Amino acid sequence: AQSVTQLDSQVPVFEEAPVELRCNYSSSVSVYLFWYVQYPNQGLQLLLKYLSGSTLVKGINGFEAEFNKSQTSFHLRKPSVHISDTAEYFCAVSEATGGGADGLTFGKGTHLIIQP
Amino acid sequence: GAVVSQHPSWVICKSGTSVKIECRSLDFQATTMFWYRQFPKQSLMLMATSNEGSKATYEQGVEKDKFLINHASLTLSTLTVTSAHPEDSSFYICSARVDSARYGYTFGSGTRLTVV
Repeated sequence: AQSVTQLDSQVPVFEEAPVELRCNYSSSVSVYLFWYVQYPNQGLQLLLKYLSGSTLVKGINGFEAEFNKSQTSFHLRKPSVHISDTAEYFCAVSEATGGGADGLTFGKGTHLIIQP
Repeated sequence: GAVVSQHPSWVICKSGTSVKIECRSLDFQATTMFWYRQFPKQSLMLMATSNEGSKATYEQGVEKDKFLINHASLTLSTLTVTSAHPEDSSFYICSARVDSARYGYTFGSGTRLTVV
């Protein structure tokens, strides 16, 4: 079984400032890692994913994340945020060996609030 | 590509009635679909895994007789909330795994269920 911890439930940031949303995971097997964004009353949109290879992953909307195996972390970053980035962000994991048979395990989410 | 369509987007029903939620993969075949439940300001909790042509696999604590899942074709999975009660009010989201976990998991837009 896996677990995901998002350390910050809410992160306020000024517009055009950089931001980092933290995510740590726990698993006894290799995992795939994902970051999703959710706007109010909507489903989830994939920002980026780590499957293997380069530990720095670039996603949509200028976001990137770095996989750190030794620290079991997958923090999400953006160098300059925009008002439109205000949303809920979820970190998630799935077993890499499960063939995709298992659903995702989500963190509790981080509400990113962009202040003008 | 890899679009999942979920209907209805919102529904209000009376206590004791049943509600069906549909999840369709529009441009791909989904042998496996997942159903999640999300309470306000909380994370997504996996309810069940829906497999085409076979019985769904429910997570611990989820009542299979209350949340009926049918996955009769490679493009359609349905979740029926039977004898709904106010405590079943929630945001339900379906997800499909595209080909393999390498593609991530595509999510529907969610269904807001309110039981009155």
